[in-house]
Amino acid sequence: GDSVTQMEGPVTLSEEAFLTINCTYTATGYPSLFWYVQYPGEGLQLLLKATKADDKGSNKGFEATYRKETTSFHLEKGSVQVSDSAVYFCALPRFQTGANNLFFGTGTRLTVIP
Amino acid sequence: DAGVTQSPTHLIKTRGQQVTLRCSPKSGHDTVSWYQQALGQGPQFIFQYYEEEERQRGNFPDRFSGHQFPNYSSELNVNALLLGDSALYLCASSLARTAYGYTFGSGTRLTVV
Repeated sequence: GDSVTQMEGPVTLSEEAFLTINCTYTATGYPSLFWYVQYPGEGLQLLLKATKADDKGSNKGFEATYRKETTSFHLEKGSVQVSDSAVYFCALPRFQTGANNLFFGTGTRLTVIP
Repeated sequence: DAGVTQSPTHLIKTRGQQVTLRCSPKSGHDTVSWYQQALGQGPQFIFQYYEEEERQRGNFPDRFSGHQFPNYSSELNVNALLLGDSALYLCASSLARTAYGYTFGSGTRLTVV
């Protein structure tokens, strides 16, 4: 079935460094793609999404471009802050009996040090 | 506006016991989905409830069951607990069975000893 593969973590960066977290997908067709973030002790929050090929999702300085040529949806941020320390999940919808649920990658833990 | 509320926040159970976790969806949402997040892993879909019926199910055994009430709140029941059931259980609410507008709760941390 459709799935995503995420880069292994953890990732440790200094404040103001550039961030890339890789995500590739396997799917029939062109499903929407999502990035979720999980801050310590909290549930998941939608960070950004892209609904079709070549779309760019963006939020809070994070960006990801839906690239069908490379089946990728890499997450980037130009200058990370300590407050960005969290676990990031790439996800796509799986369709089943007329509805959908989300398939999540394994997550990448980001730690930003001052 | 209250988001998704889950209870309890933490729970310790013994192997073989049964457990019930609870979820109140975000106001206006009618669909509840449950996910299991093992340590260091991404959430895995357990099942979805809509109109008080299970509508979708992931690859989980029948020991996992649920219920949805007329006020859209939901319960997740796990029987005959195994050590491997230790995980964070997340509830996500949405509208009309879609996963596109999920609001997640903070989860229930279940430890089986």
